[in-house]
Amino acid sequence: QQQVKQSPQSLIVQKGGISIINCAYENTAFDYFPWYQQFPGKGPALLIAIRPDVSEKKEGRFTISFNKSAKQFSLHIMDSQPGDSATYFCAANFGNEKLTFGTGTRLTIIP
Amino acid sequence: DADVTQTPRNRITKTGKRIMLECSQTKGHDRMYWYRQDPGLGLQLIYYSFDVKDINKGEISDGYSVSRQAQAKFSLSLESAIPNQTALYFCATSDLPFASKTGVGQPQHFGDGTRLSIL
Repeated sequence: QQQVKQSPQSLIVQKGGISIINCAYENTAFDYFPWYQQFPGKGPALLIAIRPDVSEKKEGRFTISFNKSAKQFSLHIMDSQPGDSATYFCAANFGNEKLTFGTGTRLTIIP
Repeated sequence: DADVTQTPRNRITKTGKRIMLECSQTKGHDRMYWYRQDPGLGLQLIYYSFDVKDINKGEISDGYSVSRQAQAKFSLSLESAIPNQTALYFCATSDLPFASKTGVGQPQHFGDGTRLSIL
């Protein structure tokens, strides 16, 4: 079964700190790993994505780190801000197959 | 105005009723999707469509049907609603490039969802 396991389920980080959310996958054929950000009452929004030919991708304060041998990828949010408080979903797929989503992490940034 | 608009935003109905959720988009994207989100779970794909003549089942299509009335409109129907279909439903679009026109692809822009409760 194609699975993407996401942890932690919830995370509280102080303003200015680094938020780290982890995902692990089983299917070695996966070749696309996006992260989605969802605010309360809103739909998910594609935040950042990586393909396995690179180990890291950075966009502003958001970085995806990818470890192919460990079959893990993570989202790092640097200098976390209260406006980053949201639920984050990782996902993965290969080729044109459907995305398999993680179960989500509720991130709360406290002052 | 939102690029992907879902109506209604909230709906409470009874078991056995027929329900239609509507989605319209102004992004001009060919690919549209319907997803279901349950608390503590990720999103599950119900149906997806590449154009008005190309509709495909996702991983949880049983009990659901769809209609692609135009490039901009994609409706989801529950023919006879049951309580375990209570969930948050999202429509999405995409024009992310991929190698071929077949396959699912990745959703890019989501609507704000319809919260559906079936009593």
